[in-house]
This record gives sequence, C-alpha cells and structure tokens, in this order.
Amino acid sequence: DADVTQTPRNRITKTGKRIMLECSQTKGHDRMYWYRQDPGLGLRLIYYSFDVKDINKGEISDGYSVSRQAQAKFSLSLESAIPNQTALYFCATSDTGYYGYTFGSGTRLTVV
Amino acid sequence: DAKTTQPNSMESNEEEPVHLPCNHSTISGTDYIHWYRQLPSQGPEYVIHGLTSNVNNRMASLAIAEDRKSSTLILHRATLRDAAVYYCILNTDKLIFGTGTRLQVFP
Repeated sequence: DADVTQTPRNRITKTGKRIMLECSQTKGHDRMYWYRQDPGLGLRLIYYSFDVKDINKGEISDGYSVSRQAQAKFSLSLESAIPNQTALYFCATSDTGYYGYTFGSGTRLTVV
Repeated sequence: DAKTTQPNSMESNEEEPVHLPCNHSTISGTDYIHWYRQLPSQGPEYVIHGLTSNVNNRMASLAIAEDRKSSTLILHRATLRDAAVYYCILNTDKLIFGTGTRLQVFP
C-alpha cells in the first residue's frame, strides 16, 4: 500500500457542487499539506496542518476548506466548485518539515 | 518565503553527468535546501536535501556553495528515467514550489 493515499484518483463534477478530496497516510507524520497544480506550472500550497488541532492557510486558500480528522487523515473540500478549480491536487506529509516530504499520486479534478 | 531561481530547461545525454543549478541568494540560516523531481503524471518525489554540507545519497549528490546562496544537484549518470521537472526549494516549515527545471535526457 502507498504511504500517502488520495481518493478519488479522478473526479468530474459540476459547477456549484460541493466536493471532498481525501488523503490518508501511513507514515505516522504529524504534518500534512494540500497542493494544487495547473498544467505546465509548479505546485501551489492550499492548506497545511502541523497536527490535528492546527490548520493554516497557504498561498491560495480562497474557495477551499480542510478538515484534519485524525493524524492520518486530511480532507480538502471545495464548497462550491467552479471551473477554474480544475487542476491536479496533491496531498503530502512530512515529519518535522525539515526532512523529506512524501507526496500522494494526486487527484485529477475537472469542474464542468 | 525565500525564492529560488532555476533554468527553465536543460538537456543531457544518457549516461552523462548532469549538473542542475539553483540560486537562492536570500536564503536564511535556518532554510534547508530541498530537491524534488516530478515525472509526468506523478506526484513530486523527494531527491535530496541539505543545510550547509554537501550531501550524497543513492539518487544524487547536492553541492552547496560556501555562502549557501547557490546549490547544484548532481546526477552522476543520467538515465532516461531521470527525465523530469526538478524543483529546488528552500524549506522552513513548508515547501513553496517554483517552476523548476525540465530535464530532457537523450539516448
């Protein structure tokens, strides 16, 4: 099993719908992150969490919310999806933040 | 967050060494230098990281300038599998990605 699992792998949704992307990890890491990647560009940080009670906004948090249900689970929600949120979404984990991060395989989200 | 500057693209032939440069003139004393690579349709993969001293692992070597304002990722013998986008990132408590260097490897 993968260390960082993202579900679903692919999703097509309609404008205005609420959608949740889920991330779970078996690394035992405290820190978890959500990124989005648009075609041809680098990753941009949406939200991050250093432990279950900690949530922080990243570079582009507008239109998104997150929930840290447990050390191992970090969910990203789009409250009312819009087409420009069509992107590849990655979840990542790290131990202290100063060492290597582990990324999931990504969720490809299309908003029509 | 401290910024890095990398060339947009580089090319190499298979089995030749590759030196990927990164400038980070505004680095602070506590910033670790991280390198990740991203193959097509995959999530970023950790390559190597360091603070002040040069580092080696099974994937690559990281050479850090004495003033820490630049670093170089060294792939000792490029393979076709090494074709990817390579990101140099200064990490404090989160990774902020730039646009990276797209490495092409020719047979």
